[in-house]
Amino acid sequence: DAGITQSPRYKITETGRQVTLMCHQTWSHSYMFWYRQDLGHGLRLIYYSAAADITDKGEVPDGYVVSRSKTENFPLTLESATRSQTSVYFCASSDRVGDQPQHFGDGTRLSIL
Amino acid sequence: GQQVMQIPQYQHVQEGEDFTTYCNSSTTLSNIQWYKQRPGGHPVFLIQLVKSGEVKKQKRLTFQFGEAKKNSSLHITATQTTDVGTYFCAGPKAAGNKLTFGGGTRVLVKP
Repeated sequence: DAGITQSPRYKITETGRQVTLMCHQTWSHSYMFWYRQDLGHGLRLIYYSAAADITDKGEVPDGYVVSRSKTENFPLTLESATRSQTSVYFCASSDRVGDQPQHFGDGTRLSIL
Repeated sequence: GQQVMQIPQYQHVQEGEDFTTYCNSSTTLSNIQWYKQRPGGHPVFLIQLVKSGEVKKQKRLTFQFGEAKKNSSLHITATQTTDVGTYFCAGPKAAGNKLTFGGGTRVLVKP
């Protein structure tokens, strides 16, 4: 899906460092989501946003911070990375929540050493 | 909280054979969505079912939503190597709620 892009695609960092994952969508979708994907856990929702300046916690929000100053961008920050946050992170967007398909970015593979 | 379970977790299928994967929710869902994720890729939306007992087909894939709107199934006929990937179901407890994803069924095809 060319309409939603994540950067970087791969990132290696050390414990305790701050790292920000970027997500940009061109569809003007109201809703944006951050998921993490780990073996055996499927997709778990970290945070989501209904509109600019409106964010809410998902299933696993601890250790993460989000912001949404513009509709098209939804960055995810790990303020002090831990090894347990090594994962593949997916950003997604949709026009409405729950009854519309979500469109996913290509993902960021994050390794924390 | 709402839980969505998928069985089996892994499915090894001989090319040409049929198989079914199941999705069960602990709560009634307003709709069910299915996604496919190819190895190394991202989840891609396949289909959405809304009505109780609804059945939809996409070529060799048949999707069904249970009468009680708490379970769903995906049946693939004459499996091909292109069917390799992980299939996720997801649904909201009510309209306007976030999606809860199942753990996925990872499908491996033996040529």
